[in-house]
Amino acid sequence: DGGITQSPKYLFRKEGQNVTLSCEQNLNHDAMYWYRQDPGQGLRLIYYSQIVNDFQKGDIAEGYSVSREKKESFPLTVTSAQKNPTAFYLCASSIGVSGGYTFGSGTRLTVV
Amino acid sequence: QKEVEQNSGPLSVPEGAIASLNCTYSDRGSQSFFWYRQYSGKSPELIMFIYSNGDKEDGRFTAQLNKASQYVSLLIRDSQPSDSATYLCAVRSNDYKLSFGAGTTVTVRA
Repeated sequence: DGGITQSPKYLFRKEGQNVTLSCEQNLNHDAMYWYRQDPGQGLRLIYYSQIVNDFQKGDIAEGYSVSREKKESFPLTVTSAQKNPTAFYLCASSIGVSGGYTFGSGTRLTVV
Repeated sequence: QKEVEQNSGPLSVPEGAIASLNCTYSDRGSQSFFWYRQYSGKSPELIMFIYSNGDKEDGRFTAQLNKASQYVSLLIRDSQPSDSATYLCAVRSNDYKLSFGAGTTVTVRA
């Protein structure tokens, strides 16, 4: 079945540590996105990518980095510069400019 | 001003009733509109999309769009306990990114 796989489901980060969240899709979608969701808030866009080897900052990119070396993969690194990383992270993809998003199951990141 | 606004709720309706959810958006150039359902602790799932003014029906769900008023709504008929969730309104403007509202939490009372 086609879909988006995010891993791990739960992740714990120590202060000063970088962590990488995985996102893989087999939908042959061109565009991929990373959102962050905090309790009581909507989804906020971190980074997005329209095509391989190209990505743009979203509304809250500070403290995060991404790469898009393959069409299927769009990993997100939460760096130590992100001061409040505890949140639910959602990866999504879309076939083009007009369709809705398909979401992965999310990664819940907690700072310990 | 937030780009996409929704009443946060909670909206409590009895089983079998109609739940009405509202969403307003600020960008008059917005082209397409989506409703997602999100159960607690889970990721959003697409339930409806609408591009043109008017109503669009899919099973127990009806989406209504009024571009002049910059308003989109979702009606859930014959509400069931399984409809209890948070409903996110999403709007796409001239670029292809979606802007999301904070969501309306719906509780269906058995």
